[in-house]
Amino acid sequence: ETGVTQSPTHLIKTRGQQVTLRCSSQSGHNTVSWYQQALGQGPQFIFQYYREEENGRGNFPPRFSGLQFPNYSSELNVNALELDDSALYLCASSSIMTGFGETQYFGPGTRLLVL
Amino acid sequence: GDSVTQMEGPVTLSEEAFLTINCTYTATGYPSLFWYVQYPGEGLQLLLKATKADDKGSNKGFEATYRKETTSFHLEKGSVQVSDSAVYFCALSVVEGAQKLVFGQGTRLTINP
Repeated sequence: ETGVTQSPTHLIKTRGQQVTLRCSSQSGHNTVSWYQQALGQGPQFIFQYYREEENGRGNFPPRFSGLQFPNYSSELNVNALELDDSALYLCASSSIMTGFGETQYFGPGTRLLVL
Repeated sequence: GDSVTQMEGPVTLSEEAFLTINCTYTATGYPSLFWYVQYPGEGLQLLLKATKADDKGSNKGFEATYRKETTSFHLEKGSVQVSDSAVYFCALSVVEGAQKLVFGQGTRLTINP
């Protein structure tokens, strides 16, 4: 069974640029969630995708957007990068069944540095 | 809103010491509760979970009991090892359209030989 994978592992961008991060979900999972983890903080929920639709979003501006593909992989896009976007971006996959207590399994993350 | 408060770190212990990391939560409804662990330079790994009151989650010698009356989910281990050194995150799961995790700020644990 393949776990959650993310690419790239590290990325350096400059302010104002755009970035795309990628995630492949764990086999058998149909839901992908994205989190932002600033240095020394707990992860913050960005949004979740299920059946290729966004089904919930945290307190992040619209310049954070995403996609989910038919194979359940996902992309996170961030436009007009700001210095505060520097963080570890984590992807988590899960399988929505009852909606309660479903475990989210995390990838290794992409570390983004905005200069 | 829903939130998780963890014991402030860092925590430093000697090998074979007893570990407790406190976690309390505020939530409407009945969330599921989780402990995740993050080793240096890595993502989060699920350590244990509990889905209803009085459930005990356990894994690798770690335990936590879902206490609804005290809104707590404290992590314990009877005898820690150097390899347990990591950052530990308590989290709750809420369903608001999406099923999202709300995390505490994390507790850095260092075990000295």
